[in-house]
Amino acid sequence: QSVLTQPPSASGTPGQRVTISCSGSSANIGSNFVSWYHHLPGMAPKLLIYRGNQRPSGVPDRFSGSKSGTSASLAISGLRSEDEADYYCAAWDDSLSGLVFGGGTKLTVL
Amino acid sequence: QVQLVQSGPEVKKPGASVKVSCKASGYTFATYGITWVREAPGQGLEWMGWISAYNGDTKYAQKFQGRVTMTTDTSTTTVYMELRSLTSDDTAVYYCARDASAYDYWGQGTLVTVPS
Repeated sequence: QSVLTQPPSASGTPGQRVTISCSGSSANIGSNFVSWYHHLPGMAPKLLIYRGNQRPSGVPDRFSGSKSGTSASLAISGLRSEDEADYYCAAWDDSLSGLVFGGGTKLTVL
Repeated sequence: QVQLVQSGPEVKKPGASVKVSCKASGYTFATYGITWVREAPGQGLEWMGWISAYNGDTKYAQKFQGRVTMTTDTSTTTVYMELRSLTSDDTAVYYCARDASAYDYWGQGTLVTVPS
């Protein structure tokens, strides 16, 4: 059972906008930055969003992050088939004194 | 370019230890810490801990306290993660990642198998 809660699955058609949620508490999302990772089986995870809404160079602006209170969201607009992957949110947890990940959301592009 | 290259796959017996290496290149080693994350079959990502490449300070996840040790060798810009008292639950892919307040570069992963 993950400290951060994500829906296990999400889906959309090409061109659509999809949002993936990440729910936490005042100890993690409520007081620390959230990052998001893209992960394909057999590959290393890839950083998509850091400090809540910043994109590393090379990550297209189709990906955006936001936060409200103790929840965060990753939005993917102009959905493409290559976006099909697992997506994880992460944040530092002050109570646990460690980083916590969400359980991951498997995104399917229909 | 920044690269993190990990050691190869390992098969260990229950009760044994494993030591995985992560060689960093392409940046000033002491500037960033290294974090270790694992992914067990059918499970999500799990944070194991962090080590400062500057002074060797460590922070371990409570779950692994007493069973994991992370070390650095600045002469070879290599970070090591040793996990002891292995069980089948430790079968996973282990990743190192550069910690730049988020994990911006990752190693290719090291599969550690502990047969039950």
